[in-house]
Amino acid sequence: GAGVSQSPSNKVTEKGKDVELRCDPISGHTALYWYRQSLGQGLEFLIYFQGNSAPDKSGLPSDRFSAERTGGSVSTLTIQRTQQEDSAVYLCASSLDGGDSPYEQYFGPGTRLTVT
Amino acid sequence: AQSVTQLDSHVSVSEGTPVLLRCNYSSSYSPSLFWYVQHPNKGLQLLLKYTSAATLVKGINGFEAEFKKSETSFHLTKPSAHMSDAAEYFCVVTPHSGNTGKLIFGQGTTLQVKP
Repeated sequence: GAGVSQSPSNKVTEKGKDVELRCDPISGHTALYWYRQSLGQGLEFLIYFQGNSAPDKSGLPSDRFSAERTGGSVSTLTIQRTQQEDSAVYLCASSLDGGDSPYEQYFGPGTRLTVT
Repeated sequence: AQSVTQLDSHVSVSEGTPVLLRCNYSSSYSPSLFWYVQHPNKGLQLLLKYTSAATLVKGINGFEAEFKKSETSFHLTKPSAHMSDAAEYFCVVTPHSGNTGKLIFGQGTTLQVKP
């Protein structure tokens, strides 16, 4: 079956512009996660969705970052007024359930964001 | 706070020789521990996971890891390296108790396999 998909695969934007990154999780997965992978910070958690609600937003680095999930499926991560330090690969993952369940998280291929 | 430390940023082995990638964890609770692999230009893939069952965990592609609470370690091993094992490996912890399932990654170890 289809895995987690993300779009676009690459995005180059100018400093100060807004960007939207999209994640399509595996069908039936109620939990969805966003992570960021950068050279300086490694792989870090951003936000967790259970259904359409986000009980854990603790990893969002600033109020320029926001995310939403609709219909318990697609999620969009929005970065406003992008800065050069936002350049990274943004990864999305989904799993059957979140919380204490030991379900595997399946990762998408990522969106490489470059802010010039 | 929960964290993992990967003791080597880069490991180089010859094909056919054993692989050892070291990981130490810090957790206030009984953790779930994972190893993920990331091949160049590919997504992260789960190798194996420990969730308080057997302390010796077997994963895909001949990898295994042993949970040692007394040493707070979760080292990844493989008896014989293959060229296709060259990749970035991440030791990961997700804490219990109020957990959202978020993964906390180590800094990664690059495994180089020489012919």
